[in-house]
Amino acid sequence: AQSVSQHNHHVILSEAASLELGCNYSYGGTVNLFWYVQYPGQHLQLLLKYFSGDPLVKGIKGFEAEFIKSKFSFNLRKPSVQWSDTAEYFCAVPSTNFNKFYFGSGTKLNVKP
Amino acid sequence: KAGVTQTPRYLIKTRGQQVTLSCSPISGHRSVSWYQQTPGQGLQFLFEYFSETQRNKGNFPGRFSGRQFSNSRSEMNVSTLELGDSALYLCASSHGLAAINLNTGELFFGEGSRLTVL
Repeated sequence: AQSVSQHNHHVILSEAASLELGCNYSYGGTVNLFWYVQYPGQHLQLLLKYFSGDPLVKGIKGFEAEFIKSKFSFNLRKPSVQWSDTAEYFCAVPSTNFNKFYFGSGTKLNVKP
Repeated sequence: KAGVTQTPRYLIKTRGQQVTLSCSPISGHRSVSWYQQTPGQGLQFLFEYFSETQRNKGNFPGRFSGRQFSNSRSEMNVSTLELGDSALYLCASSHGLAAINLNTGELFFGEGSRLTVL
């Protein structure tokens, strides 16, 4: 079965620092990967997704992620974080028939102004 | 277009009680999924409904149940509450036939119902 793992549970950065959050998946077939974000007090929302094609995908608010098949990774990056990026970030992979998501345990990002 | 609405937003119960949570999906969305979010565990899939039928169920005990009405609104119920049931319960809806839209891959989440069991 598909699964994803996030090893950074809590990350603290200063504004303008670069961000990279790790996500590893375990599935050998066709892979679709997602990053969702949950800002404090708000609903979970889609940040970006990879279905196929260009392994470097760009999302909202300057975020990007790179799908590296050889490393089973889909790390989230942002060159320069802002205080407003403080949130919890979840990596996710859908089941093969798209009937549910398998989410990672989440990474809480705290950006200090 | 209104988003996914969940009620109540916060509630406190004691062990042994039961609780019912409600979810109104985005208009036109027929698939409703429920997830449990706990610190350190991320989100765990509970179940998914489409046209009043439970299509998929996660690995939760029978104390967790749900249903969907003809207007696509959904409820979930937890009976005989335990301390470990304290969590944020999220509802999500999707447009199309699959629980996760096959074209966009997107689920639309509500803000959740935060349950505290004392």
